[in-house]
Amino acid sequence: SAVISQKPSRDICQRGTSLTIQCQVDSQVTMMFWYRQQPGQSLTLIATANQGSEATYESGFVIDKFPISRPNLTFSTLTVSNMSPEDSSIYLCSVKLGSGYTFGSGTRLTVV
Amino acid sequence: RKEVEQDPGPFNVPEGATVAFNCTYSNSASQSFFWYRQDCRKEPKLLMSVYSSGNEDGRFTAQLNRASQYISLLIRDSKLSDSATYLCVVSPTGNQFYFGTGTSLTVIP
Repeated sequence: SAVISQKPSRDICQRGTSLTIQCQVDSQVTMMFWYRQQPGQSLTLIATANQGSEATYESGFVIDKFPISRPNLTFSTLTVSNMSPEDSSIYLCSVKLGSGYTFGSGTRLTVV
Repeated sequence: RKEVEQDPGPFNVPEGATVAFNCTYSNSASQSFFWYRQDCRKEPKLLMSVYSSGNEDGRFTAQLNRASQYISLLIRDSKLSDSATYLCVVSPTGNQFYFGTGTSLTVIP
């Protein structure tokens, strides 16, 4: 199975600032996925990042708030822009391998 | 209606007990089904896929009931290390995955 390195593992940020989360996979994958897991909730898909094209965002998520880069087949970034306390959450990147997903270790974001 | 619904629990069971979780899904055309395990402050990890014929992996048995649109996970001879949140995952298309809110299990000595 793939190894996914995600960083930072946690951060505390001031409201109004932005944070970029990085995800590195040790093998080439076509699609990378970004999820959010709010406290006590399950995972919600933010967007799907394909190399060489714009990310596809799910309902309720927009590019201006969560810009995504996918410069190659092993790397992606998610930026949480103009943060507010409601953005406090765990953000996870994921890749599909075989029939299931493998997740990065997550970024625990607290906005104060 | 949510794509996937799970009883959040918590389930508190003694060591050695058998425990079962159910999960219902709304899209009858769903193709793939999984159970994931998420430990506290960790990322979800694939526990097992769920096949139409049912499948077993050691103490864990997963079953799919397409007619009633639910999947189940049975854990026999519970261990303390089984304490975690179990997430039901349903994929209608193979590329889009929907997660349940998870069922919390605590195995008590």
